[in-house]
Amino acid sequence: QLVESGGGLQQPGGSLRLSCTASGFTFDAYTMNWVRQAPGKGLEWVSYITGNSGTIYYADSVRGRFAVSRDNAKNSLYLQMNSLRADDTAVYYCARRNRSGYFDSWGQGTLVTVSS
Amino acid sequence: DIQMTQSPSSLSASVGDRVTITCRASQGISNSLAWYQQKAGKAPKLLLYAASRLESGVPSRFSGSGSGTDYTLTISSLQPEDFATYYCQQYYFTPPYTFGQGTKLEI
Repeated sequence: QLVESGGGLQQPGGSLRLSCTASGFTFDAYTMNWVRQAPGKGLEWVSYITGNSGTIYYADSVRGRFAVSRDNAKNSLYLQMNSLRADDTAVYYCARRNRSGYFDSWGQGTLVTVSS
Repeated sequence: DIQMTQSPSSLSASVGDRVTITCRASQGISNSLAWYQQKAGKAPKLLLYAASRLESGVPSRFSGSGSGTDYTLTISSLQPEDFATYYCQQYYFTPPYTFGQGTKLEI
């Protein structure tokens, strides 16, 4: 199970930190991802982090502003979101990447709204 | 980056109909393709992976096919619970793992 938290309303230029707490599986054995969905829009992959945090990727739209991290001792995944913009408004999902590459488990999502 | 073009963007159908959704990748992705179903206000749910392999617990009326750059999702006989939005996703090699634009299946 994956449970996200930390969403809310933030002003443009502000920061938020999202969390995703995992249970029911060996967390450090899996690569984790963040995926977002703007209101009424499709899915957009955001970030990827391997089990040992050794490899990290970002979408071009967030690179330099967002930082993904994880604490395997706490079975937790994080997304530090800085310099927020209105177009970052979305539901943010954490998703587990199966060893074959597809996303086999998703959290319920947390809504981030960036508005003045 | 690999682009995914999904069609149609919306589709009207009736219970019992057979429907097909297509997804085209901008380059070959060696069957590294997943299909997800998303209902309003819910997280996406994995339906198929490796283009044609059914996720455990998914009804057999869902099937996938394709190779190279072109892939399809077929629902053989629509049920009321199948009305939702469907997304393809490529997971070939390294990120970005791009999604198709989505197909909204409506009654």
